[in-house]
Amino acid sequence: NAGVTQTPKFRVLKTGQSMTLLCAQDMNHEYMYWYRQDPGMGLRLIHYSVGEGTTAKGEVPDGYNVSRLKKQNFLLGLESAAPSQTSVYFCASSGGLEAFFGQGTRLTVV
Amino acid sequence: ILNVEQSPQSLHVQEGDSTNFTCSFPSSNFYALHWYRWETAKSPEALFVMTLNGDEKKKGRISATLNTKEGYSYLYIKGSQPEDSATYLCAFDNTDKLIFGTGTRLQVFP
Repeated sequence: NAGVTQTPKFRVLKTGQSMTLLCAQDMNHEYMYWYRQDPGMGLRLIHYSVGEGTTAKGEVPDGYNVSRLKKQNFLLGLESAAPSQTSVYFCASSGGLEAFFGQGTRLTVV
Repeated sequence: ILNVEQSPQSLHVQEGDSTNFTCSFPSSNFYALHWYRWETAKSPEALFVMTLNGDEKKKGRISATLNTKEGYSYLYIKGSQPEDSATYLCAFDNTDKLIFGTGTRLQVFP
């Protein structure tokens, strides 16, 4: 009973490198979200998806891209990482009411 | 821009005290208001999801109320215990987006 799984859990990137964070859910949820958590800022919405093949911008989308080619997966990409993208990233999914969160990915950009 | 505000930012109480937090949110395009509990080094977990004006939800010593016309929700904890120490997040749900406040950090001292 996995729920929402994020990979990787930790990553250190050099400025300018690219990477993709994977979020997978096994609950057949339509809605998926990517958030970043920074001290004193709570959870800020980066991008979200309301179903397979759809994506939309959240509150802080700049520097990130997303794709939802399969219903169960929501990918977050950083094309050219910057130190300002050092953060903890959380993915969540929802079937229309409560959201279920992954365990988070701690990303450091040096 | 969807503005979700929580107060206070932090709260320190003694074991046995009762306490409450406030969440204010936009009164337009409302679908649901969520409350989550977020313990350190874990992922947020849903406490309540409320959809109707006047909704009241209860789970043990924790309860919540909702006023969609004026755009606020209260979370109450009766007889706080040290294990209630966590950050409590509210989130505004307009069907597509799930926008979080910055949270209220509660510490309960024995």
